[in-house]
Amino acid sequence: SQKIEQNSEALNIQEGKTATLTCNYTNYSPAYLQWYRQDPGRGPVFLLLIRENEKEKRKERLKVTFDTTLKQSLFHITASQPADSATYLCAPYNFNKFYFGSGTKLNVKP
Amino acid sequence: GAVVSQHPSWVICKSGTSVKIECRSLDFQATTMFWYRQFPKQSLMLMATSNEGSKATYEQGVEKDKFLINHASLTLSTLTVTSAHPEDSSFYICSASGTSDYEQYFGPGTRLTVT
Repeated sequence: SQKIEQNSEALNIQEGKTATLTCNYTNYSPAYLQWYRQDPGRGPVFLLLIRENEKEKRKERLKVTFDTTLKQSLFHITASQPADSATYLCAPYNFNKFYFGSGTKLNVKP
Repeated sequence: GAVVSQHPSWVICKSGTSVKIECRSLDFQATTMFWYRQFPKQSLMLMATSNEGSKATYEQGVEKDKFLINHASLTLSTLTVTSAHPEDSSFYICSASGTSDYEQYFGPGTRLTVT
């Protein structure tokens, strides 16, 4: 069955630094992969989508890479701010559905 | 655009009763809606996928007789938790997609507590 792995340990970084989050998946080949932000007690908010034929996608301070050979996506936030503190979920798309990783909690300290 | 609402945002019910949660797409027509549940500090687990006018497709291990899903229109899907028990207490979130299957928009979630 599909397996999606995100670092379960919280990532603590200093304001202004670049945060890098990792998403690894096994046992399938998603055509798309999405990243979401989730704040406590709230539904996920869509951030970026990247297709399998795209190596990299950018949106403002966000950058996503998608390596279908390594079966990995990296999510970067540059010039991080305390307001970026949240849990970030990756969701590879397969068989008309998205399956979510467990998320990585990012803490940006001022 | 692409706003999804859920109602209620939280509900407390007694064991054995049924609870209905509504999911609405406010500014677009949702051909497909998804229902997820999330336990504390865990990921979203897909429960079922519903298409307007047809029966929902449930994920393995999800009891369809316990979690009744109705997708009556292109803007409304409901999840009814029947004969709720304390172990059904969770955060239930819906999402909706329109013309593009790979774009989905999430509701704010419903916190269900069964006492």
